[in-house]
Amino acid sequence: GEDVEQSLFLSVREGDSSVINCTYTDSSSTYLYWYKQEPGAGLQLLTYIFSNMDMKQDQRLTVLLNKKDKHLSLRIADTQTGDSAIYFCAESSRGGGNKLTFGTGTQLKVEL
Amino acid sequence: GAVVSQHPSRVICKSGTSVKIECRSLDFQATTMFWYRQFPKQSLMLMATSNEGSKATYEQGVEKDKFLINHASLTLSTLTVTSAHPEDSSFYICSASGLAGADTQYFGPGTRLTVL
Repeated sequence: GEDVEQSLFLSVREGDSSVINCTYTDSSSTYLYWYKQEPGAGLQLLTYIFSNMDMKQDQRLTVLLNKKDKHLSLRIADTQTGDSAIYFCAESSRGGGNKLTFGTGTQLKVEL
Repeated sequence: GAVVSQHPSRVICKSGTSVKIECRSLDFQATTMFWYRQFPKQSLMLMATSNEGSKATYEQGVEKDKFLINHASLTLSTLTVTSAHPEDSSFYICSASGLAGADTQYFGPGTRLTVL
């Protein structure tokens, strides 16, 4: 079945850039997503990218997709303490209306 | 737009009782709703997919007689945990898709279930 992997933990200093990485195995993935989860809360959609795109930027967020290597990254510029959360990447083979396969989640800790 | 609510946010019940969790799409019609379960410090596990007016499709290993799902309208889906036991204690999250022009899943805030 599909597999989505992430590193478990990332620590950065406030003001630095954070880069969260994700690898996936499903070559038929058409949409890839980044979600943010704060403690005790649901998931907040941050951004998504269609598989025929290489990059998408939205304010402080930049998503890079290397389809050949099946590698997705999320860069957060000027990381703030409010960015501390768990970040999940997810893939879908037919848009979000179909099932999502989630990564293991990356805990981002922003230190002063 | 794309707001999904869940009720209750937190529930504590005795072993053997049933608990109903509601998931509502507040500002769009959700043709499909999904129910997930999340254990502490783990990722989300899809339990079932429900389309309005149809029977839910359950993932392998999820007991459909224990986790009853009803998707009676385009804005409401319910998950009922029947005869709950302590091992059913978990964080249950729903999501909804069907927003016009997009096919992305929007998540509710989750329901923390504790079975004593």
